[in-house]
Amino acid sequence: NAGVTQTPKFQVLKTGQSMTLQCAQDMNHNSMYWYRQDPGMGLRLIYYSASEGTTDKGEVPNGYNVSRLNKREFSLRLESAAPSQTSVYFCASSPRDGESYNEQFFGPGTRLTVL
Amino acid sequence: LAKITQPISMDSYEGQEVNITCSHNNIATNDYITWYQQFPSQGPRFIIQGYKTKVTNEVASLFIPADRKSSTLSLPRVSLSDTAVYYCLVVPWSASKIIFGSGTRLSIRP
Repeated sequence: NAGVTQTPKFQVLKTGQSMTLQCAQDMNHNSMYWYRQDPGMGLRLIYYSASEGTTDKGEVPNGYNVSRLNKREFSLRLESAAPSQTSVYFCASSPRDGESYNEQFFGPGTRLTVL
Repeated sequence: LAKITQPISMDSYEGQEVNITCSHNNIATNDYITWYQQFPSQGPRFIIQGYKTKVTNEVASLFIPADRKSSTLSLPRVSLSDTAVYYCLVVPWSASKIIFGSGTRLSIRP
């Protein structure tokens, strides 16, 4: 049982390049999340997916797109990377059944640098 | 959305009890209060969650007064391994509006 896995662990991009961050969970959770964490700061929610085929914007969605490919996988895409998107990106999942809040389980993070 | 305020940093010593208070004046009726712990280069880890009064688990206790405008995370007999950042989280009904506080950097000394 690997929990939440993220790939890649590290990535360096040039301004304007695109890339997709991958996230997968093997806990059969309904909900998945993408956060970013800037140095010395708390986490900010980018996008959220309550179930397969549904996504919703979080606090800082601009410059990002997401795809809930199936129940296990939730990807985050940067279409045209900017230096302001340099951050650590965390994926998380929770069993959330829509009736109450559940504990979130986080992946190890992806460190992204945009030059 | 509830505005969250917690101390930027705290210091303590091994074996002491540590209490970290979080202020959330605009908390809504359906909001839950949750605390996470984060070590360097790792994702946050759930510690405890509550709605009102007191909640206790094997790691910590969470005290929430009747007006729910604040909450206190209590860590009994801390050790060096409790050195981490602790986040207070107010979770509304809609998960897309999850708010992390700025975090409290707790340093435990021998």
